[in-house]
Amino acid sequence: DIVMTQSPLSLPVTPGEPASISCRSSQSLLHSNGYNYFNWYLQKPGQPPHLLIYLSSKRASGVPDRFSASGSDTDSTLKISTVEAEDVGVYYCMQALQTPYTFGLGTKVEIK
Amino acid sequence: EVQLVESGGGSVQPGGSLRLSCAMSGFTFNSFEMNWVRQAPGKGLEWVSYISSNGITRYYADSVKGRFTIARDDAKNSLFLQMNSLRAEDTAVYYCARTMYAWGLLGGVGMDVWGQGTTVTVSS
Repeated sequence: DIVMTQSPLSLPVTPGEPASISCRSSQSLLHSNGYNYFNWYLQKPGQPPHLLIYLSSKRASGVPDRFSASGSDTDSTLKISTVEAEDVGVYYCMQALQTPYTFGLGTKVEIK
Repeated sequence: EVQLVESGGGSVQPGGSLRLSCAMSGFTFNSFEMNWVRQAPGKGLEWVSYISSNGITRYYADSVKGRFTIARDDAKNSLFLQMNSLRAEDTAVYYCARTMYAWGLLGGVGMDVWGQGTTVTVSS
């Protein structure tokens, strides 16, 4: 199984400041189509996960442009250009290349 | 509006069975591959099972293989998860999630629509 390793696991943030979360996969997530199959989700308290990023860098519909992601076939970094109070929650990376789909442990983002 | 609504959760003793359902609306169900994902209390996300759009191909996490069965009824726009021989470690919120596609690419690229989840508690 592909292991997804996130860091940090806890991230205190200040509204108006940038923030970033890293994710590393134990195997390449490069598909034969040239895309890296990293997804990023945000789970707010009491809610299901919400897709932010797919194919490593594509924002899902309705996701604010302050969210972006980039990386390689084994690494992905999610960046929030300017954190807002509503961005708190747990962020998960996921590999969608092959089953079993696997998630990172999650990064809890909270306001300082 | 695209919507997934899970039901069928509850409390059951170890060794018991439950059947989860996921009703969907707002999209053409039979065009989409579907998944079940679970989240144990205070823990992260664990993918459980996948079913192809035609229902022929099914995959399971090793942790549930041989005990859980995924199925779909396109006429009823519904997804199911039959859970047998339940264990305490199966206690979780179970989400159904739709496979997402990207223009020009074959196959899914993730999961884009999630239900609110249904809670399963396995305890004596």
